[in-house]
Amino acid sequence: ETGVTQSPTHLIKTRGQQVTLRCSSQSGHNTVSWYQQALGQGPQFIFQYYREEENGRGNFPPRFSGLQFPNYSSELNVNALELDDSALYLCASSADRGAETQYFGPGTRLLVL
Amino acid sequence: LAKTTQPISMDSYEGQEVNITCSHNNIATNDYITWYQQFPSQGPRFIIQGYKTKVTNEVASLFIPADRKSSTLSLPRVSLSDTAVYYCLVGPFSGNTGKLIFGQGTTLQVKP
Repeated sequence: ETGVTQSPTHLIKTRGQQVTLRCSSQSGHNTVSWYQQALGQGPQFIFQYYREEENGRGNFPPRFSGLQFPNYSSELNVNALELDDSALYLCASSADRGAETQYFGPGTRLLVL
Repeated sequence: LAKTTQPISMDSYEGQEVNITCSHNNIATNDYITWYQQFPSQGPRFIIQGYKTKVTNEVASLFIPADRKSSTLSLPRVSLSDTAVYYCLVGPFSGNTGKLIFGQGTTLQVKP
């Protein structure tokens, strides 16, 4: 039991739509990282939030945006969905920035048709 | 950015020791090495983390040579439940703005 929860568990959208994924971090953690994992691939770092500020971003276009709230929960927003956005989106919380041990949630499976 | 390379897959038998090596030639001075385990349809789970030499915990050991250009995860006496994908992660520790990069992962198949 990691304490990190994500919602929804599954989601189906069509191209061009927008989606918001949510993550509740583990108690006591102030850092949330988001990853995209395509089928058969390793997780790809999207961005990290530390105390409500973005702390590092991977090679994802600006239509991937995020937010961290005062309670350290977080949202991942993706605009103008493309077919290639279909993937498992993982949220991980940690007690601090950088490579501090990360605790992953179960993920949100997004399918874009 | 430190890019990592791992074997795509490995096979082993129950009770054997398994060693998975990760190459990270461009590792930076402030980078740590972390290994995660992932089962299907689950998020990765932390196994072990180190900076140099050897680190051991209750489930694994991590060997890091002096040049830190590679690392080896050692799983003693594997069981069927160790069948999973293992990822090597290299990134800066706290206080730095860093991009965390997972390797492509090693699929370990443990056979009876």
